[in-house]
Amino acid sequence: EDQVTQSPEALRLQEGESSSLNCSYTVSGLRGLFWYRQDPGKGPEFLFTLYSAGEEKEKERLKATLTKKESFLHITAPKPEDSATYLCASKDYGQNFVFGPGTRLSVLP
Amino acid sequence: DSGVTQTPKHLITATGQRVTLRCSPRSGDLSVYWYQQSLDQGLQFLIHYYNGEERAKGNILERFSAQQFPDLHSELNLSSLELGDSALYFCASSPGTGLGEQYFGPGTRLTVT
Repeated sequence: EDQVTQSPEALRLQEGESSSLNCSYTVSGLRGLFWYRQDPGKGPEFLFTLYSAGEEKEKERLKATLTKKESFLHITAPKPEDSATYLCASKDYGQNFVFGPGTRLSVLP
Repeated sequence: DSGVTQTPKHLITATGQRVTLRCSPRSGDLSVYWYQQSLDQGLQFLIHYYNGEERAKGNILERFSAQQFPDLHSELNLSSLELGDSALYFCASSPGTGLGEQYFGPGTRLTVT
Protein backbone atom coordinates (compact mmCIF):
# COMPACT_ATOMS: atom_id res chain seq x y z
CA GLU A 1 0.00 0.00 0.00
CA ASP A 2 1.27 3.46 -0.94
CA GLN A 3 2.27 5.61 2.03
CA VAL A 4 3.38 9.20 2.42
CA THR A 5 4.73 10.62 5.68
CA GLN A 6 5.89 14.14 6.45
CA SER A 7 8.15 15.63 9.09
CA PRO A 8 8.20 17.62 11.19
CA GLU A 9 4.50 17.79 12.08
CA ALA A 10 4.90 21.48 12.93
CA LEU A 11 7.74 23.96 12.49
CA ARG A 12 8.20 27.47 13.87
CA LEU A 13 10.77 29.69 12.21
CA GLN A 14 11.87 33.25 12.66
CA GLU A 15 11.56 35.43 9.59
CA GLY A 16 14.66 34.87 7.47
CA GLU A 17 15.54 31.54 9.11
CA SER A 18 15.86 28.95 6.32
CA SER A 19 14.81 25.32 6.81
CA SER A 20 13.60 22.17 5.05
CA LEU A 21 10.46 20.05 5.21
CA ASN A 22 10.66 16.32 4.57
CA CYS A 23 8.31 14.02 2.68
CA SER A 24 9.03 10.28 2.67
CA TYR A 25 7.10 8.05 0.31
CA THR A 26 6.61 4.36 -0.27
CA VAL A 27 5.00 3.98 -3.67
CA SER A 28 5.25 1.11 -6.08
CA GLY A 29 5.60 2.89 -9.39
CA LEU A 30 5.78 6.62 -8.73
CA ARG A 31 4.31 8.72 -11.53
CA GLY A 32 4.67 12.04 -9.75
CA LEU A 33 5.34 13.69 -6.39
CA PHE A 34 3.38 16.86 -5.68
CA TRP A 35 3.73 19.72 -3.20
CA TYR A 36 0.76 21.85 -2.18
CA ARG A 37 0.27 24.73 0.22
CA GLN A 38 -2.94 24.97 2.24
CA ASP A 39 -4.15 27.95 4.25
CA PRO A 40 -6.69 27.34 7.05
CA GLY A 41 -10.21 26.67 5.74
CA LYS A 42 -9.12 26.84 2.08
CA GLY A 43 -8.39 24.35 -0.66
CA PRO A 44 -4.79 23.30 -1.32
CA GLU A 45 -2.82 25.41 -3.79
CA PHE A 46 -0.48 23.66 -6.19
CA LEU A 47 3.25 24.37 -5.86
CA PHE A 48 5.32 21.73 -7.70
CA THR A 49 5.30 18.39 -9.50
CA LEU A 50 8.47 16.26 -9.50
CA TYR A 51 8.71 13.23 -11.76
CA SER A 52 12.08 11.57 -11.24
CA ALA A 53 14.93 11.33 -8.74
CA GLY A 54 17.37 14.19 -9.04
CA GLU A 55 14.78 16.65 -10.28
CA GLU A 56 14.58 20.10 -8.66
CA LYS A 57 12.06 22.91 -9.05
CA GLU A 58 12.04 26.45 -7.65
CA LYS A 59 9.45 29.12 -7.08
CA GLU A 60 10.31 32.30 -5.22
CA ARG A 61 11.62 31.24 -1.78
CA LEU A 62 10.70 27.57 -2.26
CA LYS A 63 12.75 24.79 -3.81
CA ALA A 64 11.60 21.18 -4.09
CA THR A 65 13.91 18.22 -4.63
CA LEU A 66 13.28 14.50 -5.14
CA THR A 67 15.25 11.35 -4.36
CA LYS A 68 14.15 7.73 -4.75
CA LYS A 69 12.60 7.69 -1.28
CA GLU A 70 12.16 11.30 -0.20
CA SER A 71 11.32 14.80 -1.27
CA PHE A 72 12.41 17.99 0.44
CA LEU A 73 10.85 21.42 0.36
CA HIS A 74 13.54 23.98 1.15
CA ILE A 75 12.37 27.38 2.32
CA THR A 76 14.96 30.14 2.01
CA ALA A 77 14.62 33.32 4.09
CA PRO A 78 10.92 32.73 4.82
CA LYS A 79 8.45 35.54 5.44
CA PRO A 80 5.34 35.51 7.66
CA GLU A 81 3.15 35.08 4.56
CA ASP A 82 4.78 31.68 3.99
CA SER A 83 2.96 30.42 7.09
CA ALA A 84 0.66 27.58 5.98
CA THR A 85 0.37 23.82 5.98
CA TYR A 86 2.52 22.19 3.30
CA LEU A 87 1.24 18.92 1.89
CA CYS A 88 3.03 16.44 -0.29
CA ALA A 89 1.26 13.78 -2.32
CA SER A 90 2.22 10.85 -4.53
CA LYS A 91 0.56 9.46 -7.60
CA ASP A 92 1.17 5.90 -8.76
CA TYR A 93 0.57 4.18 -12.07
CA GLY A 94 -2.82 3.06 -10.78
CA GLN A 95 -3.93 6.72 -10.81
CA ASN A 96 -4.17 6.71 -7.02
CA PHE A 97 -3.28 9.89 -5.13
CA VAL A 98 -2.00 9.63 -1.54
CA PHE A 99 -1.52 12.78 0.53
CA GLY A 100 0.76 13.09 3.53
CA PRO A 101 -0.51 14.56 6.81
CA GLY A 102 1.23 17.88 6.19
CA THR A 103 3.71 20.14 7.98
CA ARG A 104 2.28 23.21 9.72
CA LEU A 105 4.74 26.04 9.19
CA SER A 106 4.64 29.21 11.25
CA VAL A 107 7.00 32.06 10.37
CA LEU A 108 7.26 34.68 13.09
CA PRO A 109 8.12 38.32 12.29
CA ASP B 1 -9.47 32.18 -6.87
CA SER B 2 -8.77 28.84 -8.57
CA GLY B 3 -11.78 29.00 -10.90
CA VAL B 4 -13.31 25.85 -9.38
CA THR B 5 -16.67 26.40 -7.71
CA GLN B 6 -18.35 24.21 -5.13
CA THR B 7 -21.83 24.42 -3.66
CA PRO B 8 -23.03 24.58 -1.01
CA LYS B 9 -20.34 26.10 1.21
CA HIS B 10 -21.81 24.63 4.36
CA LEU B 11 -24.24 21.79 4.92
CA ILE B 12 -25.72 20.59 8.20
CA THR B 13 -27.76 17.42 8.16
CA ALA B 14 -28.79 14.53 10.37
CA THR B 15 -27.54 10.96 10.50
CA GLY B 16 -29.15 8.67 7.97
CA GLN B 17 -29.81 11.44 5.49
CA ARG B 18 -28.55 11.84 1.91
CA VAL B 19 -26.85 14.93 0.46
CA THR B 20 -25.45 16.02 -2.89
CA LEU B 21 -22.36 18.18 -3.29
CA ARG B 22 -21.77 19.97 -6.55
CA CYS B 23 -18.57 21.00 -8.32
CA SER B 24 -17.95 23.03 -11.45
CA PRO B 25 -14.42 22.67 -12.80
CA ARG B 26 -12.31 25.42 -14.35
CA SER B 27 -13.24 26.25 -17.91
CA GLY B 28 -11.58 23.75 -20.22
CA ASP B 29 -10.60 21.24 -17.53
CA LEU B 30 -11.75 17.70 -18.27
CA SER B 31 -10.75 16.02 -15.00
CA VAL B 32 -12.56 16.32 -11.70
CA TYR B 33 -11.28 14.83 -8.44
CA TRP B 34 -13.07 14.52 -5.10
CA TYR B 35 -11.30 14.55 -1.74
CA GLN B 36 -12.38 14.29 1.88
CA GLN B 37 -10.43 16.14 4.58
CA SER B 38 -11.02 15.48 8.25
CA LEU B 39 -8.88 16.34 11.27
CA ASP B 40 -7.89 12.75 12.02
CA GLN B 41 -7.56 11.42 8.46
CA GLY B 42 -6.00 14.26 6.54
CA LEU B 43 -6.75 14.68 2.84
CA GLN B 44 -8.13 11.46 1.34
CA PHE B 45 -8.56 10.91 -2.39
CA LEU B 46 -12.03 9.62 -3.18
CA ILE B 47 -12.56 9.42 -6.93
CA HIS B 48 -11.42 10.82 -10.29
CA TYR B 49 -13.51 11.44 -13.40
CA TYR B 50 -12.15 12.36 -16.80
CA ASN B 51 -14.50 13.64 -19.49
CA GLY B 52 -17.46 11.84 -17.98
CA GLU B 53 -15.78 8.53 -17.26
CA GLU B 54 -14.53 7.19 -13.95
CA ARG B 55 -10.71 6.89 -14.06
CA ALA B 56 -9.69 5.98 -10.52
CA LYS B 57 -11.20 5.17 -7.15
CA GLY B 58 -9.52 5.85 -3.86
CA ASN B 59 -10.91 5.43 -0.36
CA ILE B 60 -14.52 6.00 -1.34
CA LEU B 61 -17.16 4.26 0.75
CA GLU B 62 -19.93 2.26 -0.91
CA ARG B 63 -22.44 4.75 0.56
CA PHE B 64 -20.81 7.46 -1.57
CA SER B 65 -21.12 7.82 -5.32
CA ALA B 66 -20.18 10.41 -7.90
CA GLN B 67 -20.76 11.27 -11.51
CA GLN B 68 -19.56 13.76 -14.08
CA PHE B 69 -22.12 15.18 -16.47
CA PRO B 70 -21.74 16.10 -20.17
CA ASP B 71 -21.18 19.76 -19.22
CA LEU B 72 -18.30 18.46 -17.06
CA HIS B 73 -19.72 19.50 -13.71
CA SER B 74 -19.66 16.77 -11.09
CA GLU B 75 -21.77 15.72 -8.14
CA LEU B 76 -20.80 13.69 -5.09
CA ASN B 77 -23.69 11.88 -3.44
CA LEU B 78 -23.36 10.85 0.19
CA SER B 79 -26.06 8.61 1.65
CA SER B 80 -26.91 6.97 4.99
CA LEU B 81 -24.78 9.64 6.59
CA GLU B 82 -22.91 8.92 9.80
CA LEU B 83 -21.30 11.28 12.34
CA GLY B 84 -17.90 10.26 11.01
CA ASP B 85 -18.74 11.63 7.57
CA SER B 86 -18.46 15.17 8.93
CA ALA B 87 -15.56 16.72 7.03
CA LEU B 88 -14.48 19.21 4.40
CA TYR B 89 -15.11 17.88 0.90
CA PHE B 90 -12.97 19.34 -1.84
CA CYS B 91 -13.14 18.95 -5.54
CA ALA B 92 -10.26 19.74 -7.82
CA SER B 93 -9.92 19.96 -11.57
CA SER B 94 -7.12 19.66 -14.08
CA PRO B 95 -6.85 19.88 -17.86
CA GLY B 96 -5.67 16.29 -18.30
CA THR B 97 -5.31 13.27 -16.09
CA GLY B 98 -3.42 14.76 -13.19
CA LEU B 99 0.27 14.62 -13.95
CA GLY B 100 0.38 18.36 -13.56
CA GLU B 101 -1.30 20.60 -11.11
CA GLN B 102 -4.78 20.21 -9.72
CA TYR B 103 -6.83 23.31 -8.96
CA PHE B 104 -8.84 22.95 -5.77
CA GLY B 105 -12.19 24.52 -5.01
CA PRO B 106 -13.03 26.23 -1.72
CA GLY B 107 -14.67 23.09 -0.32
CA THR B 108 -18.00 22.14 1.21
CA ARG B 109 -18.07 21.75 4.97
CA LEU B 110 -20.44 18.93 5.91
CA THR B 111 -21.63 18.57 9.49
CA VAL B 112 -23.65 15.47 10.38
CA THR B 113 -25.52 15.76 13.68
